[in-house]
Amino acid sequence: SQQGEEDPQALSIQEGENATMNCSYKTSINNLQWYRQNSGRGLVHLILIRSNEREKHSGRLRVTLDTSKKSSSLLITASRAADTASYFCATDAGFQKLVFGTGTRLLVSP
Amino acid sequence: DAGITQSPRHKVTETGTPVTLRCHQTENHRYMYWYRQDPGHGLRLIHYSYGVKDTDKGEVSDGYSVSRSKTEDFLLTLESATSSQTSVYFCAIGTGSPGEKLFFGSGTQLSVL
Repeated sequence: SQQGEEDPQALSIQEGENATMNCSYKTSINNLQWYRQNSGRGLVHLILIRSNEREKHSGRLRVTLDTSKKSSSLLITASRAADTASYFCATDAGFQKLVFGTGTRLLVSP
Repeated sequence: DAGITQSPRHKVTETGTPVTLRCHQTENHRYMYWYRQDPGHGLRLIHYSYGVKDTDKGEVSDGYSVSRSKTEDFLLTLESATSSQTSVYFCAIGTGSPGEKLFFGSGTQLSVL
């Protein structure tokens, strides 16, 4: 069964707007990662947040983690057309295995 | 894609035939993984390897077997392909250190008719 569930499933915005996607998970985690997948390609790692961290930034990305609610959010600020992709959260299920959510499809229109 | 090559990139086969997908890495990473990606399910782990000849099952391992005879190669075999195994298959590699990111190949689109 999936550990993470992303919300919304799909998101459509205009360039320059912010995009927020959320991830909920079921069990305790050591860390949570976000990945991006462009159409027809493999996943690319974006950012990792550890269970003892509440917020992390990387360029235009901001990730938050609320372990009490078992949820995380990914914020992309000032979105660009090139940000169009699917975004997945992944939780560390132990034994170096990552469990991925179902993903959010982001469309950024010029 | 971080020194990971998946072959073939596309394959069409018939139900009941055996199929082997290959993942080759040049990063000398200890861990290798096979995931399948299906609409509405995200990525699901099939099998993974934590060293030569050391493998273990993932979430959806039924109907699949794997082998790793060399650090750089991880093979996924469908002994008798079924239509439910039509999917995109991704190989990933990692160092095995807790919390480390994975690097993904470009995927293999498999269609079982």
